[in-house]
Amino acid sequence: QQPVQSPQAVILREGEDAVINCSSSKALYSVHWYRQKHGEAPVFLMILLKGGEQKGHDKISASFNEKKQQSSLYLTASQLSYSGTYFCGTEGYSGGYQKVTFGTGTKLQVIP
Amino acid sequence: GAGVSQSPSNKVTEKGKDVELRCDPISGHTALYWYRQSLGQGLEFLIYFQGNSAPDKSGLPSDRFSAERTGGSVSTLTIQRTQQEDSAVYLCASSSLGGAVGETQYFGPGTRLLVL
Repeated sequence: QQPVQSPQAVILREGEDAVINCSSSKALYSVHWYRQKHGEAPVFLMILLKGGEQKGHDKISASFNEKKQQSSLYLTASQLSYSGTYFCGTEGYSGGYQKVTFGTGTKLQVIP
Repeated sequence: GAGVSQSPSNKVTEKGKDVELRCDPISGHTALYWYRQSLGQGLEFLIYFQGNSAPDKSGLPSDRFSAERTGGSVSTLTIQRTQQEDSAVYLCASSSLGGAVGETQYFGPGTRLLVL
């Protein structure tokens, strides 16, 4: 089942912060985050394994609450280069393998 | 290769014609995935290969869609009797093992298909 992302779209000014949420109705092994710029392929940002892990990557970090089956992506002091569509991929056991199901995406636009 | 490659990058075809889309995964990657992305939409899973076999074809939208993988490497997605609703970007991704927890998928640039 497809994870739900919120918000669907957000516009930020440079330097502002944003949070993107991802929730699933199924038990999760991990959550993947990808960013896709317009006309390009999705690019891997980070993976969070179950255990309430939090990861960081420059000014982008994420958390994973396996009990709530939710993950949040935090973008601080946003830069123009952060613009794009962010996808979460929730990983669960399905059909005999670890399957990643991607959400519908959150469109983020950072303006000067 | 250095990354996942796909060809053609763009394809325009007429309704009713067949098309073949190709994916070259990262060398040594055993898992390969096909996704479809309609304009402004998310990533719709189509099919997953582990080596040459496809344990999960659950995302193929109709029997007009088929895919194969040979030699555990190159994969071809075939759409027969294309319809206008098939217009989308078709993305291929590969991962090193497939089926393991927390594996990164590496995406190709996609093939933009337009059915007139």
